[in-house]
Amino acid sequence: GENVEQHPSTLSVQEGDSAVIKCTYSDSASNYFPWYKQELGKGPQLIIDIRSNVGEKKDQRIAVTLNKTAKHFSLHITETQPEDSAVYFCAAGGYQKVTFGTGTKLQVIP
Amino acid sequence: SQTIHQWPATLVQPVGSPLSLECTVEGTSNPNLYWYRQAAGRGLQLLFYSVGIGQISSEVPQNLSASRPQDRQFILSSKKLLLSDSGFYLCAWGLAGGAIGRFFGPGTRLTVL
Repeated sequence: GENVEQHPSTLSVQEGDSAVIKCTYSDSASNYFPWYKQELGKGPQLIIDIRSNVGEKKDQRIAVTLNKTAKHFSLHITETQPEDSAVYFCAAGGYQKVTFGTGTKLQVIP
Repeated sequence: SQTIHQWPATLVQPVGSPLSLECTVEGTSNPNLYWYRQAAGRGLQLLFYSVGIGQISSEVPQNLSASRPQDRQFILSSKKLLLSDSGFYLCAWGLAGGAIGRFFGPGTRLTVL
């Protein structure tokens, strides 16, 4: 089955700086890579996703990149704000199922 | 728009007691439905998923079971809870027929004492 590794487990950045979270996956058949943001005590929210036929996708201050050859994908948050503080999860998979990474706790310091 | 409801929000149960957590989805038809468990400080573990009424796939053999009696209703159950069943239980839905993001409910915090 799919195995997803996520790094780092915790990340602290100053407000206004950029944050990068990286994931690797094992199953070359995976073709869908979503990212989720989970605030304390709440369910995860989908923030951006990318399919295997696309190398990069942007939505305002967040972007995802995918390297299918290396089986790497990353989340980039620019101009971080305190409200970006949360746990972020990557996932990889396809129809019906995705496998989640173990999460990155991002703290944005004002 | 679609919404997903879970209840209860928190639950404290003694070891050996039964469990029933309910999830309902509004605003969509024939969704894929999922139950996940999140242990403290850890990722999301898929427990069950369903592509239709009465169709349940189990990902991890354990003390829990799931049922889908109606198109937009998903129930997580146990006959006898164990201490290890404590965690944050999340229901999610996705569009049938394709890989698209899971939309999660607010979750149920279960503590087994």
